[in-house]
Amino acid sequence: AQTVTQSQPEMSVQEAETVTLSCTYDTSESDYYLFWYKQPPSRQMILVIRQEAYKQQNATENRFSVNFQKAAKSFSLKISDSQLGDAAMYFCASDGGSQGNLIFGKGTKLSVKP
Amino acid sequence: KAGVTQTPRYLIKTRGQQVTLSCSPISGHRSVSWYQQTPGQGLQFLFEYFSETQRNKGNFPGRFSGRQFSNSRSEMNVSTLELGDSALYLCASSPQDGPLGYEQYFGPGTRLTVT
Repeated sequence: AQTVTQSQPEMSVQEAETVTLSCTYDTSESDYYLFWYKQPPSRQMILVIRQEAYKQQNATENRFSVNFQKAAKSFSLKISDSQLGDAAMYFCASDGGSQGNLIFGKGTKLSVKP
Repeated sequence: KAGVTQTPRYLIKTRGQQVTLSCSPISGHRSVSWYQQTPGQGLQFLFEYFSETQRNKGNFPGRFSGRQFSNSRSEMNVSTLELGDSALYLCASSPQDGPLGYEQYFGPGTRLTVT
């Protein structure tokens, strides 16, 4: 079965500093996508960043970047210059090569200290 | 464009009853997926509909069913409710017209409480 594992239930970062959230996954598919979603207290899931498995270049979106290690099946999220608004649950997800079916990790609760 | 809308936002039901949740996708999106979110199990995939056909299904009992209409709006039905069905039910829509990897846009969710 395809799995996504987030080993850090909670993380904390000081405002303006950098934090890295970890994620590992397992899939037998050769082509797939990986995602990081953010879920603030409002519960609205928002896509943070997306990585296509066959692209070696790590995806970047403003202050958010990933470290994608395909062989190790690792997909970590780095948040630079952390802001108070970054406080949320962060979910790593894989589509496992299947349309319309995201497999989520258990999530990491990120707190940002002023 | 308007985002994904879900109705109702909150619902309280009694064990044994049935419930229907509704999801209106973003205009032009033909794929609608449903997820259940609970503190214990996290986010779990229920099913996905594309052009009125169920294309994928998660590992949930037959009490959970869904459908999609010609305008892409989708409904999810849970019959014979159990206490464990209490959860946040999220709907997501996506264009999904081609290869993989399209972003799924999530609605605000329906909070279902079963007493």
